[in-house]
Amino acid sequence: AQKITQTQPGMFVQEKEAVTLDCTYDTSDQSYGLFWYKQPSSGEMIFLIYQGSYDEQNATEGRYSLNFQKARKSANLVISASQLGDSAMYFCAMRGGGGGADGLTFGKGTHLIIQP
Amino acid sequence: NAGVTQTPKFRILKIGQSMTLQCTQDMNHNYMYWYRQDPGMGLKLIYYSVGAGITDKGEVPNGYNVSRSTTEDFPLRLELAAPSQTSVYFCASSYYGASLEANYGYTFGSGTRLTVV
Repeated sequence: AQKITQTQPGMFVQEKEAVTLDCTYDTSDQSYGLFWYKQPSSGEMIFLIYQGSYDEQNATEGRYSLNFQKARKSANLVISASQLGDSAMYFCAMRGGGGGADGLTFGKGTHLIIQP
Repeated sequence: NAGVTQTPKFRILKIGQSMTLQCTQDMNHNYMYWYRQDPGMGLKLIYYSVGAGITDKGEVPNGYNVSRSTTEDFPLRLELAAPSQTSVYFCASSYYGASLEANYGYTFGSGTRLTVV
């Protein structure tokens, strides 16, 4: 079974600073995918970034990057130059091992608050 | 392009009542999912389906039922609602691919906020 651990329930960050959200995972699968989602107060789930387990380079999407350390089983999200609009819940998730059919396993999330 | 559509957006049920949460996707995705999100928590999988006529239990299936008669629709049925089912429910869909590595993506609906009183 997969498990995702996010150890930061909440974070306060000054605007324009970089922020790192921690995520560690546990799986016995050799091939897997890791996702980060943003959930603003409006409630929708917004896809941010994806990393495949065999990708040699860290994924990047605009201001988001994923610091993937396979040996440590960590997949931290880095947000550069944070903005007030980045305030939200952030979830790390892993694709299920059943060929992807059984969906995503989510962590409990980190509540990020950007302060002006 | 509607994506994944969930109805209703909000609902209040009395204990013991039943209801169906509707979910429709127009992307021809073969995989569909139902999740629940309790306050301050991540999403937990209730049921999933790999195609029409095929469904299976997720992590928290008790008190729920699903059906998948078409590729597009994946309704979630709550029988005998209980306060423990107060939650936000998300439907999602994804495309099947042969590689676990590729990002086929998961599209989420906007959620249904259910309160059982």
